[in-house]
Amino acid sequence: DIVMTQGALPNPVPSGESASITCQSSKSLLYSDGKTYLNWYLQRPGQSPQLLIYWMSTRASGVSDRFSGSGSGTDFTLKISRVEAEDVGVYYCQQFLEFPLTFGSGTKLEIK
Amino acid sequence: QVTLKESGPGILQPSQTLSLTCSFSGFLLSASSVGVGWIRQPSGKGLEWLATIGWEDVKHYNPSLKSRLTISKDTSNNQVFLKITSVDTADTGTYYCAHTLGYWGQGVMVTVSS
Repeated sequence: DIVMTQGALPNPVPSGESASITCQSSKSLLYSDGKTYLNWYLQRPGQSPQLLIYWMSTRASGVSDRFSGSGSGTDFTLKISRVEAEDVGVYYCQQFLEFPLTFGSGTKLEIK
Repeated sequence: QVTLKESGPGILQPSQTLSLTCSFSGFLLSASSVGVGWIRQPSGKGLEWLATIGWEDVKHYNPSLKSRLTISKDTSNNQVFLKITSVDTADTGTYYCAHTLGYWGQGVMVTVSS
């Protein structure tokens, strides 16, 4: 199974500052089609996860451009610019290169 | 607009079989490359993928639970089902169904208790 390892944030993050969340995979998620099979989700308190980024760097429909994804085949970063109160929640990375699909353990974002 | 909604028994006893239904709209499970999966989340914990069924009826299961899981679909009624046999308290949590393109349902709470 591909293991996904997420880093922690130095919470709380001051409102208006940037925050970067890291995720590492135990196997390269870069496929021969040139795409990297990594999703980022935000789970706000009491809600189901919402897709933010797919294929490592493509924003999902309706997602603010304050969210951006980057990385290599095994090391990934989700950057949130100018954090706002609505960004509070737990962020998950997920690989969808192969089954079993696996998630990182989650990174909690709190705002000051 | 893609929507998914889970339904289940709410509470059941250890050793029983958990039956979950995902009712969806806005897409066809018979369409190429479409799939629906189940993911669960114990209270206050992370996400665990359970199973996915594809448009061509190919099924994938989490190896750690495979012997207890059965996923199936009713394409004509836009539903996907998940059965988990021999449940115990560790199966308590919120169960989500999700389209492979990242649309999730609101989740359904399941409690296993004697």
